[in-house]
Amino acid sequence: AQTVTQSQPEMSVQEAETVTLSCTYDTSESNYYLFWYKQPPSRQMILVIRQEAYKQQNATENRFSVNFQKAAKSFSLKISDSQLGDTAMYFCAFMKPKYQGAQKLVFGQGTRLTINP
Amino acid sequence: GAVVSQHPSRVICKSGTSVKIECRSLDFQATTMFWYRQFPKKSLMLMATSNEGSKATYEQGVEKDKFLINHASLTLSTLTVTSAHPEDSSFYICSLPPAGSYNEQFFGPGTRLTVL
Repeated sequence: AQTVTQSQPEMSVQEAETVTLSCTYDTSESNYYLFWYKQPPSRQMILVIRQEAYKQQNATENRFSVNFQKAAKSFSLKISDSQLGDTAMYFCAFMKPKYQGAQKLVFGQGTRLTINP
Repeated sequence: GAVVSQHPSRVICKSGTSVKIECRSLDFQATTMFWYRQFPKKSLMLMATSNEGSKATYEQGVEKDKFLINHASLTLSTLTVTSAHPEDSSFYICSLPPAGSYNEQFFGPGTRLTVL
């Protein structure tokens, strides 16, 4: 079974700083998807960024980028120029590809990120 | 992206009663939907996969008789918490299966259940 581990329960940075959230996972699969989801105080889950395991290039979405290290099974999220609106719980998640069955998300424990003014 | 609604958003009930939570896909037909449970300040835990036209698939450790799931149509799945007790109090979230080239799962806004 797949597991996802986020070792940082809480983080806090000043506005405009850069912050990196860590995530490691365990799987025997060679092909899979990794995600970072954001859950603000409203509790609505919002997709931040996605990475396909067979792609070596790290995904980027504006101020958000990942450092995907497949051999190390590491998938960290970097937030540049952090903004107050980035304050939220961040979840790292793993998903198998469709041909391997039901595409369930396996979530890490979450990291509570606070951006201070 | 797909829009998912949940009803009610909040519910408070007495111990021993049953509560039904609806999850609707407003613009996408889904043969499966996922139900998650989230304890305060904790992660999301998958409870079951709802299957249109057949029985739900429950994750290990989830009581099938406690959490009844019915996928009534391609746009509606319901979760009924039967004979609710205070330990069933939680945040329940549904989601649609991954879709599109981005393989994104779209989540409902969640339902907060409080059992007194």
